[in-house]
Amino acid sequence: AQKITQTQPGMFVQEKEAVTLDCTYDTSDQSYGLFWYKQPSSGEMIFLIYQGSYDEQNATEGRYSLNFQKARKSANLVISASQLGDSAMYFCAMREGRNYQLIWGAGTKLIIKP
Amino acid sequence: DAGVTQSPTHLIKTRGQQVTLRCSPKSGHDTVSWYQQALGQGPQFIFQYYEEEERQRGNFPDRFSGHQFPNYSSELNVNALLLGDSALYLCASSPGTGGYGYTFGSGTRLTVV
Repeated sequence: AQKITQTQPGMFVQEKEAVTLDCTYDTSDQSYGLFWYKQPSSGEMIFLIYQGSYDEQNATEGRYSLNFQKARKSANLVISASQLGDSAMYFCAMREGRNYQLIWGAGTKLIIKP
Repeated sequence: DAGVTQSPTHLIKTRGQQVTLRCSPKSGHDTVSWYQQALGQGPQFIFQYYEEEERQRGNFPDRFSGHQFPNYSSELNVNALLLGDSALYLCASSPGTGGYGYTFGSGTRLTVV
């Protein structure tokens, strides 16, 4: 079974609009962390935002926020006021318990239209 | 403050050859993880090194091996290269105490012909 599912292979969004990228996860651990990374064509993984399973409030980092719905096991990334520079691949990842590895989704390719 | 540095950036090898990729972690980080990212896919965890020991390993064959040096830098070695080993290899560093401070390098793109 997939541990991280990103159902949107690609998305086109108009500049300045908000965009939501979907991520659902599957784990039996009570303690886990969820991450979103951005990967431009250069290849580097750029950290965007983190949500811990025990965090009561949704994480926010500038224009990025994470819509964390624990009961539904979803951790959607919301980008407000999208910019042309936001065009990239976006990956959701999870770290479970005391496991050291990050488990990744297949990614969503986001293209911002001017 | 330098981030994670990987070398080389690109590499072309022939099937059956061996390759060594290098990674220098971010200043203050002592843990290094390696990931393989095939084209169009998410990264797959290869292994993590901490205190010069392999702390955890993903589902990769023994052809993939690594090393961590006293200065926390790391090498990834792949023997008997296969065409399927062609991928972007990403190195991530983090503090040994865990948490979520993963910093990634720009990767090494390996092409096996």
